[in-house]
Amino acid sequence: DMKVTQMPRYLIKRMGENVLLECGQDMSHETMYWYRQDPGLGLQLIYISYDVDSNSEGDIPKGYRVSRKKREHFSLILDSAKTNQTSVYFCASRRDSTEVFFGKGTRLTVV
Amino acid sequence: GDSVTQTEGLVTLTKGLPVMLNCTYQTTYSPFLFWYVQHLNEAPKLLLKSSTDNKRTEHQGFYATLHKSSSSFHLQKSSVQLSDSALYFCASGPNYNVLYFGSGTKLTVEP
Repeated sequence: DMKVTQMPRYLIKRMGENVLLECGQDMSHETMYWYRQDPGLGLQLIYISYDVDSNSEGDIPKGYRVSRKKREHFSLILDSAKTNQTSVYFCASRRDSTEVFFGKGTRLTVV
Repeated sequence: GDSVTQTEGLVTLTKGLPVMLNCTYQTTYSPFLFWYVQHLNEAPKLLLKSSTDNKRTEHQGFYATLHKSSSSFHLQKSSVQLSDSALYFCASGPNYNVLYFGSGTKLTVEP
């Protein structure tokens, strides 16, 4: 069964702390994504990764960075989290010429 | 730039009635169009996809037709069920690699 796994599912951090969101997929997909979801704004693309160490900014990369050292893992890092980064973060991966598979999301609250 | 517009933020219907969720897109390329459905606390999942003009695509009772002349890909169902209550996202992309999402429509089906 194809799966994208996100850890943790829920996270509360203080403003200024560093945050690491982890994502794994067991499908050997080359392309992976990080999105954030906010009410009324849909899913906004933060970063795309085309393979190991091949990452590109999406529409809202400011305040975020990513790391992909293995094909199956894609991490999102927030250095010095801000309250406006409170959101639900979705990781996804893509199979060639077909659909994008999403994880269940990480609900991050920055207080 | 590229964008996807979903005009309804909230739709509430009684079970058994038909539904149409609107989706229009703006793009400079020949697009792929998608509908994703997200149930509460779940990952978004692909519901429908199309890149063929004027061809109806169907899945799980839902259907949509891509009309390039009007840049539309409206989602329809002839008789909604309680289990159809969810958040529906329309998305567009130049290929399956990059997806631009609309803001989403929350469908609530009442008994």
